[in-house]
Amino acid sequence: GAVVSQHPSWVICKSGTSVKIECRSLDFQATTMFWYRQFPKQSLMLMATSNEGSKATYEQGVEKDKFLINHASLTLSTLTVTSAHPEDSSFYICSAPGQTRETQYFGPGTRLLVL
Amino acid sequence: KQEVTQIPAALSVPEGENLVLNCSFTDSAIYNLQWFRQDPGKGLTSLLLIQSSQREQTSGRLNASLDKSSGRSTLYIAASQPGDSATYLCAVYNFNKFYFGSGTKLNVKP
Repeated sequence: GAVVSQHPSWVICKSGTSVKIECRSLDFQATTMFWYRQFPKQSLMLMATSNEGSKATYEQGVEKDKFLINHASLTLSTLTVTSAHPEDSSFYICSAPGQTRETQYFGPGTRLLVL
Repeated sequence: KQEVTQIPAALSVPEGENLVLNCSFTDSAIYNLQWFRQDPGKGLTSLLLIQSSQREQTSGRLNASLDKSSGRSTLYIAASQPGDSATYLCAVYNFNKFYFGSGTKLNVKP
């Protein structure tokens, strides 16, 4: 089946630095990818929709200047957390749709800890 | 705004027991509802998808029901096994978005 990978699987960084997370569709192309954030014991919350060749669409309340999304190719989307702060510590998951949009393939997630 | 709630947040049962996980949602205007399994360090795996016009879906030892009018879904797991230990997420899909519950963490003890 279709596989979505994420890199890194976990990252620790100092407050004020930027962190880039990659999301790749390994054996299929994805013109759209989705980025979610999950805080402990809370739901996955959609942050933004990444669109290949155009600007990302952000959900209400998500700062687009803080969470930079680049969908450089049909198999790669990146999320950069700029000037990270401890409150950005979370589990970030990406997904890509299958043949139907309601079919989603999820990456394994990236755990970010900002000290 | 759609809100999805899952009860209980955690559940520990001995191997072999049948169990029920609950999911409720506030807006009945959904396209479908899915149950996912989330394992540590791995992505989400879709277990069952119920279209809004359906009442239930079955896959092996899993059975999911949907009562759209009351905003409820249940996931029934028969004869639980230690390998079923994971976090189970309920998600409703509408307007091209998934709305997830916070999950039920299941531990099946050998």
